[in-house]
Amino acid sequence: DAGITQSPRHKVTETGTPVTLRCHQTENHRYMYWYRQDPGHGLRLIHYSYGVKDTDKGEVSDGYSVSRSKTEDFLLTLESATSSQTSVYFCAIRLAVRDTQYFGPGTRLTVL
Amino acid sequence: GEDVEQSLFLSVREGDSSVINCTYTDSSSTYLYWYKQEPGAGLQLLTYIFSNMDMKQDQRLTVLLNKKDKHLSLRIADTQTGDSAIYFCAVNNAGNMLTFGGGTRLMVKP
Repeated sequence: DAGITQSPRHKVTETGTPVTLRCHQTENHRYMYWYRQDPGHGLRLIHYSYGVKDTDKGEVSDGYSVSRSKTEDFLLTLESATSSQTSVYFCAIRLAVRDTQYFGPGTRLTVL
Repeated sequence: GEDVEQSLFLSVREGDSSVINCTYTDSSSTYLYWYKQEPGAGLQLLTYIFSNMDMKQDQRLTVLLNKKDKHLSLRIADTQTGDSAIYFCAVNNAGNMLTFGGGTRLMVKP
């Protein structure tokens, strides 16, 4: 599992509330990613990080922010959650070998 | 940007071969991957192929790449009920980001 954990694993929240999801890795990988998974869309990239304090936007970044103050933690924040952000969120790390990405177990977020 | 397409659904009988297809648009992709997702779980990397290869075999899995047609396929020999899952192809782009297809749900009937 490449030493990736995500917390919480499940969360139900209300529209307008802030939410932070955490991704933690134990193997000192430089690149980390946040994706969302929705039926029929596969996985879509939200934000990624290429080092401490170095982040960039992905395909569906609107409404999301990220932070990486330590190599091992990559946080995804929904400043004011909306129902359209109900989804399953996956974190991934990238290995330098063959540029392969390995995924965490996911967080199921429901915004009521 | 990159577009990756997969058919939504495939049903096969146990013991038959399964072929899952994927098309993509960006010819500059370096690596192409197949991931498997079981219900309630994350994505598991199954196999990959480098863009200068035509075929790669790994036990029951065979990956075929047709660069001219931008077509990737995954063949699973002797399909088992445990192979029932959603399969995603993913393409590596410039900047080392992945673009995923929408996933193919494989159902294996006993």
